[in-house]
Amino acid sequence: DTAVSQTPKYLVTQMGNDKSIKCEQNLGHDTMYWYKQDSKKFLKIMFSYNNKELIINETVPNRFSPKSPDKAHLNLHINSLELGDSAVYFCASSQAQGNTEAFFGQGTRLTVV
Amino acid sequence: SQKIEQNSEALNIQEGKTATLTCNYTNYSPAYLQWYRQDPGRGPVFLLLIRENEKEKRKERLKVTFDTTLKQSLFHITASQPADSATYLCALDMNTGFQKLVFGTGTRLLVSP
Repeated sequence: DTAVSQTPKYLVTQMGNDKSIKCEQNLGHDTMYWYKQDSKKFLKIMFSYNNKELIINETVPNRFSPKSPDKAHLNLHINSLELGDSAVYFCASSQAQGNTEAFFGQGTRLTVV
Repeated sequence: SQKIEQNSEALNIQEGKTATLTCNYTNYSPAYLQWYRQDPGRGPVFLLLIRENEKEKRKERLKVTFDTTLKQSLFHITASQPADSATYLCALDMNTGFQKLVFGTGTRLLVSP
């Protein structure tokens, strides 16, 4: 059973389009995250949700809007996609707030053309 | 400025030797430090967590040290195997109440038979 699953795995789209990435975890964790890994493999946190509430927003452009319908799901919607949004987006979850390991999904490779 | 630095170049070693990877940080005061492994096309996988008041942590062939005076963590893989070839990421957690992992850029390890 996959602990943290994201869909789609690959996403190719044109500039200006709107797209969504979905994430689900079956670990019973309260906290979920979105990370972005750029072409230089640098992994940076974007958002963190705890029990459906936003707790970290790392000055991400407001074209990015996360939504957590319940604590097992955290989706990422991106409006008006730009070339610079091309990256791998990882969803993750953890048991508690700090001091615990994070479980990552397999990533969504977004390519904006 | 805040920085987390890992060996930017790949580390090549022979099977059976000990691999030592470094993680140096500047202008951070982490409460915890974690190490992750990332294989191409996959999400990071947790390996070890060490607290600021711990000097060393071991798990099977892995050993992590944490020196808050030097602001450095060392990650050792003993009796390395080709299957250990991957990118290894260190991540700092400041323990501000909610987990917010700040990742280094990673070191690629290549273990040759």
